[in-house]
Amino acid sequence: LAKTTQPISMDSYEGQEVNITCSHNNIATNDYITWYQQFPSQGPRFIIQGYKTKVTNEVASLFIPADRKSSTLSLPRVSLSDTAVYYCLVGETGRRALTFGSGTRLQVQP
Amino acid sequence: NAGVTQTPKFQVLKTGQSMTLQCAQDMNHEYMSWYRQDPGMGLRLIHYSVGAGITDQGEVPNGYNVSRSTTEDFPLRLLSAAPSQTSVYFCASSHSNEQFFGPGTRLTVL
Repeated sequence: LAKTTQPISMDSYEGQEVNITCSHNNIATNDYITWYQQFPSQGPRFIIQGYKTKVTNEVASLFIPADRKSSTLSLPRVSLSDTAVYYCLVGETGRRALTFGSGTRLQVQP
Repeated sequence: NAGVTQTPKFQVLKTGQSMTLQCAQDMNHEYMSWYRQDPGMGLRLIHYSVGAGITDQGEVPNGYNVSRSTTEDFPLRLLSAAPSQTSVYFCASSHSNEQFFGPGTRLTVL
């Protein structure tokens, strides 16, 4: 399984755009990149998934460069409720059980 | 749909006791997984199943057993509880690359 590296923590203020970058140098051809969000005392929640280029949904955008060795989760105009841990996962299509790293703890301040 | 349900929500065991953590999903997902999350850490995969009758080990399988007799249920058994198994346990199911997590079981082993 591809190993991921992401910052341990980040701080931001309400209304700012937050970009969290994940490094996955040994990503395989069949691997997808998936981001999850976890609030305290809850299970992780799917945010977004992509294979290459850019993916956008109502919550976030995911930017993946051509070499796919990294990816960036972009959260537009964060609010206090976006304070959570964000996990970047890389896994082969069909392998549903993915490996979670330690994640990035995002703290949004007023 | 109830999604993924887990029981109990909380449990305290003494060292050496055995118990079963229950997990059920009503989304007809083939894939189910068990993770544990220690304080301040990411999720680690214990066991997973790709369908009824098929299970496999994850990253930290020692001390745990699983079975998958039906699509809906995926119980996790602690054979002889140890303090090192104090953790929060999450069950997840998926049919694509998005996993749906249950609310978790907080287990304390004294």
